[in-house]
Amino acid sequence: GENVEQHPSTLSVQEGDSAVIKCTYSDSASNYFPWYKQELGKRPQLIIDIRSNVGEKKDQRIAVTLNKTAKHFSLHITETQPEDSAVYFCAALPGGGNKLTFGTGTQLKVEL
Amino acid sequence: DAGITQSPRYKITETGRQVTLMCHQTWSHSYMFWYRQDLGHGLRLIYYSAAADITDKGEVPDGYVVSRSKTENFPLTLESATRSQTSVYFCASSVSYEQYFGPGTRLTVT
Repeated sequence: GENVEQHPSTLSVQEGDSAVIKCTYSDSASNYFPWYKQELGKRPQLIIDIRSNVGEKKDQRIAVTLNKTAKHFSLHITETQPEDSAVYFCAALPGGGNKLTFGTGTQLKVEL
Repeated sequence: DAGITQSPRYKITETGRQVTLMCHQTWSHSYMFWYRQDLGHGLRLIYYSAAADITDKGEVPDGYVVSRSKTENFPLTLESATRSQTSVYFCASSVSYEQYFGPGTRLTVT
């Protein structure tokens, strides 16, 4: 089955800096890669996703890039703000399936 | 997000008791999922359902039972709760790949 690895497990940045979280996946047939943000005590919320026919997608300060050859994808957050502090999860959906496999999460802390 | 709800939000039970966690969605999404979230393990899939009366095991199904008689409801039952089932449980529903999560149920087994 699919295996998703996520790095780093914790990330601390200064407000205004950029943050990058990376994930690798094992199933070359995976075709959908969402990112979720989970604030303390809250539900995971979908913040951005990318499909395998696209190399990059942006939404204001966040972007996701996908390298199918290397089987990795990354979340980029620019101009970080304190409200970006949360746990971020990547996930991958194997081709033909409907079950997401999640990474183990990255705790992002944006310091003032 | 008000379209998917879970109850109860918090539950404390004793080892050996049967517990049912409820999940209800108003979107008529075909797919529904149950996850548990534990520190260090991220989100692990327990069971999922593609439609009413169609369910299948996920990564960690042992000790859990599900049913789905109606599209909008997907209850999760712990037949005989164990301390290792202390966790936060999230229900989710899906349309066109995108999954949306309920608010979660924090279950403590003493």
